[in-house]
Amino acid sequence: EAGVAQSPRYKIIEKRQSVAFWCNPISGHATLYWYQQILGQGPKLLIQFQNNGVVDDSQLPKDRFSAERLKGVDSTLKIQPAKLEDSAVYLCASSDPGLNYEQYFGPGTRLTVT
Amino acid sequence: AQTVTQSQPEMSVQEAETVTLSCTYDTSENNYYLFWYKQPPSRQMILVIRQEAYKQQNATENRFSVNFQKAAKSFSLKISDSQLGDTAMYFCAFMKRNTGNQFYFGTGTSLTVIP
Repeated sequence: EAGVAQSPRYKIIEKRQSVAFWCNPISGHATLYWYQQILGQGPKLLIQFQNNGVVDDSQLPKDRFSAERLKGVDSTLKIQPAKLEDSAVYLCASSDPGLNYEQYFGPGTRLTVT
Repeated sequence: AQTVTQSQPEMSVQEAETVTLSCTYDTSENNYYLFWYKQPPSRQMILVIRQEAYKQQNATENRFSVNFQKAAKSFSLKISDSQLGDTAMYFCAFMKRNTGNQFYFGTGTSLTVIP
């Protein structure tokens, strides 16, 4: 079974630029999560999708962050414009409630904003 | 709001010894899951063990076991016979069971196994 795929793995941009991250979850997993993990901290949920609908985006800075999950499969997370404090690892995870809610994580995208 | 607290930022253990990582959480929910995830250096986060809140029996997975104290809202992870491959960040996570099943993670404990 293929795991959660993310790209790119690394990205360096200047502040005020835009960036997009892509995630392909495990086939059949209805729930998809985007997390922000700042160095030395635990993952913070940004947005959660159930199929192509948003379940929770209460911690998503909506003035600069956006996310979509078209057709309930792949998802993209965008930051526009980026700030220095957006430097972090962005993790994508997917889960299937039938599997006791275990989340499967991708390798993450390490974003550096200079 | 749910909060998860891991009070030990760093820990170390000698190879083959036993170590316990602490986690406490705060919730008014009754129906929830608790998890320990492991994040090795430069590698993906993987599940170590899960506990369903309605189960009184502590979960066990090979060398990993938990001490789940529901009334005290405590969920510690015990690693027996520590191995070098156990060196990683360990995150405690809480999931409330509802239509959203949102996850909340602690700040992590960095465990180093010393040869």
